[in-house]
Amino acid sequence: GNSVTQMEGPVTLSEEAFLTINCTYTATGYPSLFWYVQYPGEGLQLLLKATKADDKGSNKGFEATYRKETTSFHLEKGSVQVSDSAVYFCALSDLGPHDMRFGAGTRLTVKP
Amino acid sequence: DVKVTQSSRYLVKRTGEKVFLECVQDMDHENMFWYRQDPGLGLRLIYFSYDVKMKEKGDIPEGYSVSREKKERFSLILESASTNQTSMYLCASSIWVSVLKDTQYFGPGTRLTVL
Repeated sequence: GNSVTQMEGPVTLSEEAFLTINCTYTATGYPSLFWYVQYPGEGLQLLLKATKADDKGSNKGFEATYRKETTSFHLEKGSVQVSDSAVYFCALSDLGPHDMRFGAGTRLTVKP
Repeated sequence: DVKVTQSSRYLVKRTGEKVFLECVQDMDHENMFWYRQDPGLGLRLIYFSYDVKMKEKGDIPEGYSVSREKKERFSLILESASTNQTSMYLCASSIWVSVLKDTQYFGPGTRLTVL
């Protein structure tokens, strides 16, 4: 079945460091790919998405490119801030809205 | 902006109690979902609904039931709460688009503790 694997955390960075969180997927069809973010004590918020190969999603300085050849959707940010501390979830949706598959989540802590 | 609200942020119940978790969305979305979130496991789908009075089992429906009497409201019911149902419960909604795989919008979550 469809699945998402993302790098295990936790990840701790200093402010202004470069961030990469790896995400790879397995899907039978042509999924849409998502990154969600969960700030402490809150639900998940959509951070960015891409719906087809080679699409780049971007928001708030974060970027991810849908790479079909490597089945990957890695999240990157050039300079992280303390306010980026959160849990990040990679997800895919393939067969329909009921078929959203989430990775286990990666906790990011950014220190001043 | 889409707003999904959940009736409680924190809930403490005793083993064997019947528990109701309520979710309301204000964007006229057809689809609604209940997930549980556990450390290291990500989100797992419990139940979902495509329309009023319709419900479908997700990956882990055992020990849960749901009710959707109105389009905007989706309730999760724990018939007899057990300690292994201690978790964070997240409600989500999305519009119905038959071909596109659209974004799900999440509520703030209910952290349930069963003693």
